[in-house]
Amino acid sequence: ELKVEQNPLFLSMQEGKNYTIYCNYSTTSDRLYWYRQDPGKSLESLFVLLSNGAVKQEGRLMASLDTKARLSTLHITAAVHDLSATYFCAVGSETSGSRLTFGEGTQLTVNP
Amino acid sequence: NAGVMQNPRHLVRRRGQEARLRCSPMKGHSHVYWYRQLPEEGLKFMVYLQKENIIDESGMPKERFSAEFPKEGPSILRIQQVVRGDSAAYFCASSPYGGEPYFGPGTRLTVT
Repeated sequence: ELKVEQNPLFLSMQEGKNYTIYCNYSTTSDRLYWYRQDPGKSLESLFVLLSNGAVKQEGRLMASLDTKARLSTLHITAAVHDLSATYFCAVGSETSGSRLTFGEGTQLTVNP
Repeated sequence: NAGVMQNPRHLVRRRGQEARLRCSPMKGHSHVYWYRQLPEEGLKFMVYLQKENIIDESGMPKERFSAEFPKEGPSILRIQQVVRGDSAAYFCASSPYGGEPYFGPGTRLTVT
């Protein structure tokens, strides 16, 4: 059974600081997704990572994937208050269609 | 191209009533996935359907829950005799086979 673990689960940081969220998964996978969720809202797709060594960046967020280590990271650079949200990683595989297994989520609060 | 549509967005049911949640996939998508999100938790897979077929229902509770995706019309997630523990956000996602899933806005079910 595929397990996905995120850490930390709660992250409080100051504006302007950098931090990394980690996502470990237990079995081979060929795709990894990062989502953002604001309270009471749906999921917003941030990144899709499909290959080992993939790195994608959008604004202050950068995601990477190491399939050998079964690890993805979401790096936040110079955080701003607008980044406050819950971030989920989710892992899928070609054999399961597009069924995803989600991590528990990281609740990020950026303080002024 | 309209996104994934779910209705109703909010649903209130008394204990013992039935809840019907509807999901219309994106145009061209023939695969539908239902997920449940309990408060302060990640999304948990429930069921994966194609038109007229249930592909994987390993995440569905054994009793009271059922899902269908008929040849015509939306996918339906049905919860019979709802209990307080069914209160959650229910998200539907659709995809082409093996492609990136797109999530709907969710239905927030409250059982009183």
